Amino acid sequence: AQRVTQPEKLLSVFKGAPVELKCNYSYSGSPELFWYVQYSRQRLQLLLRHISRESIKGFTADLNKGETSFHLKKPFAQEEDSAMYYCALRTNAGKSTFGDGTTLTVKP
Amino acid sequence: DTEVTQTPKHLVMGMTNKKSLKCEQHMGHRAMYWYKQKAKKPPELMFVYSYEKLSINESVPSRFSPECPNSSLLNLHLHALQPEDSALYLCASSQDFGAGELFFGEGSRLTVL
Repeated sequence: AQRVTQPEKLLSVFKGAPVELKCNYSYSGSPELFWYVQYSRQRLQLLLRHISRESIKGFTADLNKGETSFHLKKPFAQEEDSAMYYCALRTNAGKSTFGDGTTLTVKP
Repeated sequence: DTEVTQTPKHLVMGMTNKKSLKCEQHMGHRAMYWYKQKAKKPPELMFVYSYEKLSINESVPSRFSPECPNSSLLNLHLHALQPEDSALYLCASSQDFGAGELFFGEGSRLTVL
């Protein structure tokens, strides 16, 4: 069975500091990895997916198959980045599994 | 229209009531999903419909009954629920089953008394 682990429930950084949200996964097949974000009072929405390899709102994430990780990074955090972040894995069978989430707070 | 719309936003029901949650999307997506989310927990998959057919049922109790009348609509019929079923119920859609990102609705917050 697939599993997604986000080890940090809460993460707090100062504005302008680098931020890294960790995500590790276990899955025997070839997964598709996503980061979803939920801002206050907004719906859950896609931030980025590993196959697109693009940067969204300054965030990047690289799939490391050797370490089975998909960490989310941003070099300079902004206050508007404060939100709940979920790492998610989708299997070949179409099931999506979410990590427990990390609440990021960016302090002024 | 790039949104998934869910109604009602809030629902309070007794354990003997019958109610339904509705979900609609007009993005031409062929896969639709129901997730359950408890406070401070991630979404948990309940059902997946692909091309209007039930593809995945994650061993959900029969007091939850999904229905997909057409490719744009998804319902979740509720009957004889328990207080522990109180949660945020999220609908999502994707272009195809097993492909593309999930587009989520805002959710229906259900309270069972």
